[in-house]
Amino acid sequence: AQTVTQSQPEMSVQEAETVTLSCTYDTSESDYYLFWYKQPPSRQMILVIRQEAYKQQNATENRFSVNFQKAAKSFSLKISDSQLGDAAMYFCAYRSPLTGNQFYFGTGTSLTVIP
Amino acid sequence: DVKVTQSSRYLVKRTGEKVFLECVQDMDHENMFWYRQDPGLGLRLIYFSYDVKMKEKGDIPEGYSVSREKKERFSLILESASTNQTSMYLCASTGPRGKLFFGSGTQLSVL
Repeated sequence: AQTVTQSQPEMSVQEAETVTLSCTYDTSESDYYLFWYKQPPSRQMILVIRQEAYKQQNATENRFSVNFQKAAKSFSLKISDSQLGDAAMYFCAYRSPLTGNQFYFGTGTSLTVIP
Repeated sequence: DVKVTQSSRYLVKRTGEKVFLECVQDMDHENMFWYRQDPGLGLRLIYFSYDVKMKEKGDIPEGYSVSREKKERFSLILESASTNQTSMYLCASTGPRGKLFFGSGTQLSVL
């Protein structure tokens, strides 16, 4: 099975500053999808951003962007102009189209935003 | 709006009880999943289903079973609940472009 590693259990950032959450994964597949999900205290998982492996261009969604390094198997999330509402647990996920569309999740990074 | 509904937000059961966790999606999705979420372990896949009456084991199926009699409903069953099954359970389904849509979770406590 594919493995997804988030090496930062906790991170903090000052409001309005920028923070980067790291994620690495292990796979032998060439075609796959990567995601970042956010889980606020409400526990509802929310999709933040999605990246297709065949696309070289990094995905961007407003203040959220990724740095996708396919050769290095790295997929970091950058949050710009951090807001209090960004405080949450963030999960990196890998989706394999070859194994029944299973998703594999990292262990999560808890982000605190300091006012 | 897309909706995945889990029948209970909080559930307290006794050891040895049979427990049903229900999940319904209104998006006509084919793939549905049950995850277990524990601190420090992330989300771990218990079972998934890619069609009615079809099921596949995930990474931690022991102690669980599932049922998918209708496309919109995917049930997780704990045949005989044990204290180590105290956890948060998340149901999800995949939509267009492979996005996972999640329910709001069921926090199960087994006493």
